[in-house]
Amino acid sequence: QVQLQESGPGLVKPSETLSLTCSVSGYPISSGYFWGWIRQPPGKGLEWMGTIHITETFYNPSLKSRITMSPDTSKNQFSLKLSSVTASDTAMYYCARINGWQGFDGRWHQDAVDIWGLGTMVTVS
Amino acid sequence: QSALTQPPSASGSPGQSVTISCTGTSSDVGGYNYVSWYQQHPGKAPKLMIFEVSKRPSGVPDRFSGSKSGNAASLTVSGLQAEDEADYYCCSYAGSNNLVFGGGTKVTVL
Repeated sequence: QVQLQESGPGLVKPSETLSLTCSVSGYPISSGYFWGWIRQPPGKGLEWMGTIHITETFYNPSLKSRITMSPDTSKNQFSLKLSSVTASDTAMYYCARINGWQGFDGRWHQDAVDIWGLGTMVTVS
Repeated sequence: QSALTQPPSASGSPGQSVTISCTGTSSDVGGYNYVSWYQQHPGKAPKLMIFEVSKRPSGVPDRFSGSKSGNAASLTVSGLQAEDEADYYCCSYAGSNNLVFGGGTKVTVL
């Protein structure tokens, strides 16, 4: 059974860098699937932030200048770094496994989020 | 990329049906058959209910169904039950390995 768990500081100061880690059990992240971060500000909707697939990363264009994601296959974890945070980055942060589909070009593309972590609340203040 | 458009709220009595719309563009919903729907109860992580427009994961009741026409997708919940009261979000592949979510719809069981 695949499980994901987020960890990291719950409070970050404005202008600093938010850093979170997602620990995955039950499936090696280097073997396939997409692994991503999705956030949800209090009382608001979901926002896809970015995804790792094997060695590639894909980022939401609106965050591209501030976001970095990287895998640590030795620990079966992947991380999120979001720089220059402001109060608008206050949110519940979820890590997730995302299914994929293969296009005619042979490349893999993201499909649905089939497994979610429980989420971790990060406040910027 | 802009968020997909969903109505903020929808409601129905127990046993009735409710349909939630999700409107995008030809660059996301209209361009790909990779629309998914998620149910989120307060304080909980979202749960996948529909993927690839109309497919249900194992364990999701067949009261939940999805469809798509042009740039709009829909989720229908038939035979509403009290436990269906939740927020529902659509999500679509948007090209270049981007995903975009809808703003969410709060479903109330009257």
